[in-house]
Amino acid sequence: GAVVSQHPSWVICKSGTSVKIECRSLDFQATTMFWYRQFPKQSLMLMATSNEGSKATYEQGVEKDKFLINHASLTLSTLTVTSAHPEDSSFYICSAPRGSAREQYFGPGTRLTVT
Amino acid sequence: SQKIEQNSEALNIQEGKTATLTCNYTNYSPAYLQWYRQDPGRGPVFLLLIRENEKEKRKERLKVTFDTTLKQSLFHITASQPADSATYLCALDTSNQAGTALIFGKGTTLSVSS
Repeated sequence: GAVVSQHPSWVICKSGTSVKIECRSLDFQATTMFWYRQFPKQSLMLMATSNEGSKATYEQGVEKDKFLINHASLTLSTLTVTSAHPEDSSFYICSAPRGSAREQYFGPGTRLTVT
Repeated sequence: SQKIEQNSEALNIQEGKTATLTCNYTNYSPAYLQWYRQDPGRGPVFLLLIRENEKEKRKERLKVTFDTTLKQSLFHITASQPADSATYLCALDTSNQAGTALIFGKGTTLSVSS
C-alpha cells in the first residue's frame, strides 16, 4: 500500500523559534499534499494544500507567512512553523492522494509542543 | 451553515456485537463519503469509500451505507473485537476530481470490551 512518512514524530521548541516538519510519500509520487492540524478531541482541520512546483493554497484564517509550505519534489512537502507560540501546539498531519484514487494516505503525524 | 456531525462522541459495546456509527451532514453535496480509522497519536487510515449513487458497500466485517436524501452515512462493524477500539472519522469528498481535500467529522471513539 501507499506509505507516507513524517519527520519528526514529535518536537518541543521554545516560543519564538521555527520548526520544520517533513512529509514524504515513500512509494508513490504526489503532486499534491495536504496539511491538517488536529487539536484534542477535534476534527482534522485543513490548513493548506501543497502543490509541487507552485505556491501552496491556504485555507481561510491560516497565516501563510507563519506556516510556510514548500513542495520541493514529487515526494516531499515541508511545513515550517515560524515564530512558534504556545497556541501553535497541536498535532500536524499530512496526507497525499495517489494517482486518480479518491482515498488519501496519511502520515503518522507530528506532535508539536511550544513552551 | 455547512456541518458534518458524527452523532456520538463515544460508543461502548461488548465484543461480538455490531457497532453502528452515524455521520450526518448539512449543506454539502458530497460525491463520495469516506471512513477512516484513527488510533491515538497516529494519522488516519483509510477504510472504505462509497459513491453518491451507491447505497451500500462492504469489506470484510465493515459495511457502509449512504443515503443522500437523508444526508447520512452509517458505518457498521460486525462481530466487533477489542482490536476494533479506535476513533472512526467520516470524511466528505465534495469535488468532482480526485486529489482534493477532505472535510472531516470530529469522530466517534469506539471501545469494545471483552
